[in-house]
Amino acid sequence: EAGVAQSPRYKIIEKRQSVAFWCNPISGHATLYWYQQILGQGPKLLIQFQNNGVVDDSQLPKDRFSAERLKGVDSTLKIQPAKLEDSAVYLCASSLSGVGEKLFFGSGTQLSVL
Amino acid sequence: QKEVEQDPGPLSVPEGAIVSLNCTYSNSAFQYFMWYRQYSRKGPELLMYTYSSGNKEDGRFTAQVDKSSKYISLFIRDSQPSDSATYLCAFESNSGYALNFGKGTSLLVTP
Repeated sequence: EAGVAQSPRYKIIEKRQSVAFWCNPISGHATLYWYQQILGQGPKLLIQFQNNGVVDDSQLPKDRFSAERLKGVDSTLKIQPAKLEDSAVYLCASSLSGVGEKLFFGSGTQLSVL
Repeated sequence: QKEVEQDPGPLSVPEGAIVSLNCTYSNSAFQYFMWYRQYSRKGPELLMYTYSSGNKEDGRFTAQVDKSSKYISLFIRDSQPSDSATYLCAFESNSGYALNFGKGTSLLVTP
């Protein structure tokens, strides 16, 4: 079974630039999550999709972050403009249906904002 | 009070030791209790999953949940250098919202 695919693996940008991350979940998984993991901390949920609808985006800084999941499969997360404090690993995860289901994580995209 | 508290460590133990990792939580709505293991430069992977109070064993790993004290533990017996990783506790309610993670405890098992 193929895992959650993310790209790119690493990205270095300057503050105020824009950046986009891509995620392809496990086939058949209805729920997709984007987490932000700052060094030394646990993952923090940014946004949760159920198919192509948003379940929770309460912690997404909507003035600079946006995410979409077209056709309920792939997803992109965008930051525009980036700030220094956005330096983190951005993890994508998927699960079959959501509540009580095992989450499968990708390896993440490590973002450095200079 | 934070919803989830976890000592970040680092915790260093010799090979073969018994390791005890713990988390406390404050949200009574949490119904699912998990431990994820995260190797360096990798995403977290599910290690243990429990729904109710009590113990659950899987090989060298035992997860313990005490809902009355809002306390969960992970025990690793006969620890190996390959167990060196960050261990994250995670919690979920029945609401359908995503996991709440602890900060993670960094474990180093030395040969």
